[in-house]
Amino acid sequence: TQLLEQSPQFLSIQEGENLTVYCNSSSVFSSLQWYRQEPGEGPVLLVTVVTGGEVKKLKRLTFQFGDARKDSSLHITAAQPGDTGLYLCAALVGSQGNLIFGKGTKLSVKP
Amino acid sequence: ETGVTQSPTHLIKTRGQQVTLRCSSQSGHNTVSWYQQALGQGPQFIFQYYREEENGRGNFPPRFSGLQFPNYSSELNVNALELDDSALYLCASTGTGTSGVGELFFGEGSRLTVL
Repeated sequence: TQLLEQSPQFLSIQEGENLTVYCNSSSVFSSLQWYRQEPGEGPVLLVTVVTGGEVKKLKRLTFQFGDARKDSSLHITAAQPGDTGLYLCAALVGSQGNLIFGKGTKLSVKP
Repeated sequence: ETGVTQSPTHLIKTRGQQVTLRCSSQSGHNTVSWYQQALGQGPQFIFQYYREEENGRGNFPPRFSGLQFPNYSSELNVNALELDDSALYLCASTGTGTSGVGELFFGEGSRLTVL
């Protein structure tokens, strides 16, 4: 069974702080995706990483795919209240692209 | 470009009843997937439809069934509802992003409560 383990499960920080959340697996994946989900809404794709060691930046968010393609991290610089939400990592499995998701990291950024 | 829309947004049912949830895919997307998200969990894959045929299924019993129509809209049907079926049901349509990997566009979900 392929599993994605996310940590920490919950994170509460003050505006302006930096943070990193992790997504780990014992399986190798061809790609990993990060989504953000706000209460009452569906997940929204932030980024797809496909190459081992790849780093992608999206404004204050930095995503890294592990060299062995088993893990990924999301780093947020100078967090803002608008970053509050559930951050989910996901991997494509199966020939037609169904996703497995981690349980997510629930981030709360206080002003 | 029209996004993924789902209906109803909220509904309450009792054990043993049946429910139908509906989804309109994003314009131009012919693949629709359904996910179940229990409280505090990540979404779990139920099944996927491509050109009106089931094209992959997760670990869900046969009382979870679906349809896709010629306009690519889709339905999720759940029979003999159980308390554990209470969850957010998400529909997603699939496009291909700049990375070349399938990217899912989710609707806002249908929140089902089973009493």
